[in-house]
Amino acid sequence: QQQVKQSPQSLIVQKGGISIINCAYENTAFDYFPWYQQFPGKGPALLIAIRPDVSEKKEGRFTISFNKSAKQFSLHIMDSQPGDSATYFCAAPPGQTGANNLFFGTGTRLTVIP
Amino acid sequence: DADVTQTPRNRITKTGKRIMLECSQTKGHDRMYWYRQDPGLGLRLIYYSFDVKDINKGEISDGYSVSRQAQAKFSLSLESAIPNQTALYFCATGFPGTDTQYFGPGTRLTVL
Repeated sequence: QQQVKQSPQSLIVQKGGISIINCAYENTAFDYFPWYQQFPGKGPALLIAIRPDVSEKKEGRFTISFNKSAKQFSLHIMDSQPGDSATYFCAAPPGQTGANNLFFGTGTRLTVIP
Repeated sequence: DADVTQTPRNRITKTGKRIMLECSQTKGHDRMYWYRQDPGLGLRLIYYSFDVKDINKGEISDGYSVSRQAQAKFSLSLESAIPNQTALYFCATGFPGTDTQYFGPGTRLTVL
């Protein structure tokens, strides 16, 4: 199986600030670590993902940092905007081969104050 | 037009009733998933299917069953609903080789 620990549970950031959400996992059978973004009343949608042959991936204002030795990865949102206010979920692959599902963290509710 | 649709979007039922939640997709994906979302618990996988003949239990399959009627349709059933099954339920699809999952809009189920 897999356990994914996500923190913080909620986060309030001023507009223009940096939002940082952290996740830790146990073991993984393959390397694929996505972040999903969910707006109220909507289903989650893929925001950004990393396959850690690299330690960092950047797409616009969103960056994933990955520390394989520590089994941790984080999402950084630069220049946070009110439109970024949403719930963010990290996910990790299963800890054993033969399975292809994802295990999600408990979510972080981000509020960006204008 | 939505690629992943879920019906109903909201449902209130009583303890002991049988409930079916339906999911349809037009994305042509082979993989389909059912999750439930609870505050503070995140998304937990109930069942998943990688093709019409393949059904797999997820983390929390007890009390639920599924049917993959076609590539495009995946239904979740609660044979005898209980109050702690009150949650937001999401269907998702995926395509082999990409790992990305595409979520539907969700069904809010309340069991009284």
